[in-house]
Parts: sequence; structure tokens; C-alpha cells
Amino acid sequence: DQQVKQNSPSLSVQEGRISILNCDYTNSMFDYFLWYKKYPAEGPTFLISISSIKDKNEDGRFTVFLNKSAKHLSLHIVPSQPGDSAVYFCAATTGAGSYQLTFGKGTKLSVIP
Amino acid sequence: EPEVTQTPSHQVTQMGQEVILRCVPISNHLYFYWYRQILGQKVEFLVSFYNNEISEKSEIFDDQFSVERPDGSNFTLKIRSTKLEDSAMYFCASKEKTGANTGELFFGEGSRLTVL
Repeated sequence: DQQVKQNSPSLSVQEGRISILNCDYTNSMFDYFLWYKKYPAEGPTFLISISSIKDKNEDGRFTVFLNKSAKHLSLHIVPSQPGDSAVYFCAATTGAGSYQLTFGKGTKLSVIP
Repeated sequence: EPEVTQTPSHQVTQMGQEVILRCVPISNHLYFYWYRQILGQKVEFLVSFYNNEISEKSEIFDDQFSVERPDGSNFTLKIRSTKLEDSAMYFCASKEKTGANTGELFFGEGSRLTVL
């Protein structure tokens, strides 16, 4: 049961370049999407979110794009910095009930100095 | 900055033993959650708790699991009789109540449970 899929387990990017992390989902009831960043031995930390009524949300170096028809979202980080090296999780929720998140398996981003 | 705190950071236990994992959510938050991540796998929802009762639980959260908020600040996860497959990192999370059902969950650093 993979309602949220992150098909790339890892990604390496040069410092200063753009990092693009992708996420696909299958549940059409999802209407709110979040990206979390996780360092080793720490809990997930919220990064950015987007509601299904939008197609783009930007916060500093981080931009999330949502393509509802394709059930696809992406996280762009530009410029990438070595401190961005972490595992990035895509998560989604229906926004109903208790607001439980369904996570993808994560993509490990390595930003090379 | 307010944070969710969890104890212990790591617990090793024998199969069949009871384990209690503790969490102190952010003080003005009203929704509380437990998630877990088995090594190499995705973060999975276990249970949500609101207004002193379970609001939703996953199929993972069977009769061996229970949660409570005994004193208005701590939020605990109890595993009655641990199994090898319960070995995982357990994350507590909390969320403030907002008008719309959006907003981020704040996660603790996790409690690593190792069942031998």
C-alpha cells in the first residue's frame, strides 16, 4: 500500500545547483501535502506545505509545486547548500478527521560542496 | 522554540516485556500522535489522540498498544508484550488546533525501541 511514492531513494547535487525531489500519490482524497526533512537521529522537521487549491508555494529557497491532474508534487531547493543534506519525506493528508499523515519512503539528498 | 520531547531516547527490552514510551507535546497543542519507522522503511501512522480519546488508529495499533495522557502534559505509548517486529523508532507528534484541518505536525526526536 504505497499511497505516497518517492521513487528516488537518493539524489546527489552540487552545491549551488537546484535540487528537485519528486513525489507521486494515488489517493485522490489527499488535499494537503507537506515536505519534511530528517537528519539522522532526529525527528522529521516540517519544511513546506501546499494545499490542493494551489499549484505552487514558495518559502525562501524552497518551492513546492503541485500538479493535481498528474497526482504529482515536487520540491525545488535552489540554491542547494551542504546543510540541506538530509532525507526528505513527502507526506499527504485528506485533511479530514484526525489529520493523520501518510508518508513516502523518503529521498536522501546529498549536496556536494 | 517550543518542541516535542520524548523519553527514553533508546530502550532495549526482552521480547514479551512491557514498554512505555513517553512524550511531552508542545503545551498549547491539542492533537497528539504516535508514528513509527522501522529501519529502512517509511514513517507509519499508529494513532491520533484528541480530547482525551483516540480519534483514529491504524491496523498496526492492535490490542497490544495503548495510549493515554495521564496528567495533562505527558502522552504515553504502551506496548504490553513486545515482539521482535516492534523494534523501530517511535515518533511522537503534536499539532495545534486550527480552524482548517491544515498545518504542520511537530515531531519529537524519537525513541528507539530494540526488542531482543
